[in-house]
Amino acid sequence: NAGVTQTPKFRVLKTGQSMTLLCAQDMNHEYMYWYRQDPGMGLRLIHYSVGEGTTAKGEVPDGYNVSRLKKQNFLLGLESAAPSQTSVYFCASSNLLRSPLHFGNGTRLTVT
Amino acid sequence: TQLLEQSPQFLSIQEGENLTVYCNSSSVFSSLQWYRQEPGEGPVLLVTVVTGGEVKKLKRLTFQFGDARKDSSLHITAAQPGDTGLYLCAGAGGQNFVFGPGTRLSVLP
Repeated sequence: NAGVTQTPKFRVLKTGQSMTLLCAQDMNHEYMYWYRQDPGMGLRLIHYSVGEGTTAKGEVPDGYNVSRLKKQNFLLGLESAAPSQTSVYFCASSNLLRSPLHFGNGTRLTVT
Repeated sequence: TQLLEQSPQFLSIQEGENLTVYCNSSSVFSSLQWYRQEPGEGPVLLVTVVTGGEVKKLKRLTFQFGDARKDSSLHITAAQPGDTGLYLCAGAGGQNFVFGPGTRLSVLP
């Protein structure tokens, strides 16, 4: 079982460049989430989706955009990367609201 | 804004020792989850507690949810090197989860 798959695993960007992180889940989950993880700060919610075609802002949405065109995919975009966006990004999915989260293995992004 | 604090931040112990880590908040949560995260991987769910005062056991791990549903503890008996990892608590509040910063546990053989 693949579960939640994130691509790429690592990426280095220069300030001002753009990129898209892809998350795919094969569990038919309705809810999908993007988190960032920084040392000492835990996981912070960037954006989330409660179903295909829907997106909503989380705790730290500025500088990011998302799209959920297909139920199994949730894309996170950085239009103009900044050094403050250096982090490890995790995608997660769940079947129901507030049910256990299934995480991917993360994307480590460095912005120089 | 709901916040979760975890203590200690770091813990290094010898194999066979017992330990307890804590997750505290001033907010009430409808449920609380504990996850373990290993280097280079995403967090993996260990347990969900829902009822105030609830105690759940998972082999050598014992989880307790506070009576007021504001805090939780994780006790590990006879820790093993395989218990090494980052332990995260997450409270269900509103539409989403609030995560604590984690306790990084190292169990030395």
